[in-house]
Amino acid sequence: SQQGEEDPQALSIQEGENATMNCSYKTSINNLQWYRQNSGRGLVHLILIRSNEREKHSGRLRVTLDTSKKSSSLLITASRAADTASYFCATDRGYSGAGSYQLTFGKGTKLSVIP
Amino acid sequence: DTGVSQDPRHKITKRGQNVTFRCDPISEHNRLYWYRQTLGQGPEFLTYFQNEAQLEKSRLLSDRFSAERPKGSFSTLEIQRTEQGDSAMYLCASSSTSRDTDTQYFGPGTRLTVL
Repeated sequence: SQQGEEDPQALSIQEGENATMNCSYKTSINNLQWYRQNSGRGLVHLILIRSNEREKHSGRLRVTLDTSKKSSSLLITASRAADTASYFCATDRGYSGAGSYQLTFGKGTKLSVIP
Repeated sequence: DTGVSQDPRHKITKRGQNVTFRCDPISEHNRLYWYRQTLGQGPEFLTYFQNEAQLEKSRLLSDRFSAERPKGSFSTLEIQRTEQGDSAMYLCASSSTSRDTDTQYFGPGTRLTVL
């Protein structure tokens, strides 16, 4: 069953604008990860945020995590046409330091960046 | 740097036939995972191995599905007596319990079409 729900399901923006995607989940987690998937291809790992972290940055990506609300957001700044893809959040119930257990994914947000 | 590889990339089969997919993880990774993704959905966990031991199986993994990792390196996923509902992308991922422990790295997937 799907643990997370991404919002919105689809997002269309102009190149250069910022894109924000949200993810909600149901059970307690060890960490939350964001992945990108280009049409019909495998998943590319973007960023991981642990349950004791509130915010993390990587290049043009900013991720926040609010464990009290069981939600996360992914911000992509200064978007490019190459950012066009589906974005998934995935939660991991594994124990910190014990390795990844299994990921539970949401249905994803389909981002279109118009040149 | 060789990532996770999967073979074949595409498979078309007739209902009732058996199919087998192969996954080669990143060489030093001791954990290997299988996921299934249908159109418009996020990946769903099927099973995972630590070395050659299969540690967890999802209820999605019916009796027609079997996965092996005989020497703790590559893995195979076999589907017997395929059904049209088996049509999906089958994704393999790997991770390490000693380095970058919580990140799963995905392969490009095998797209199965059952006619």
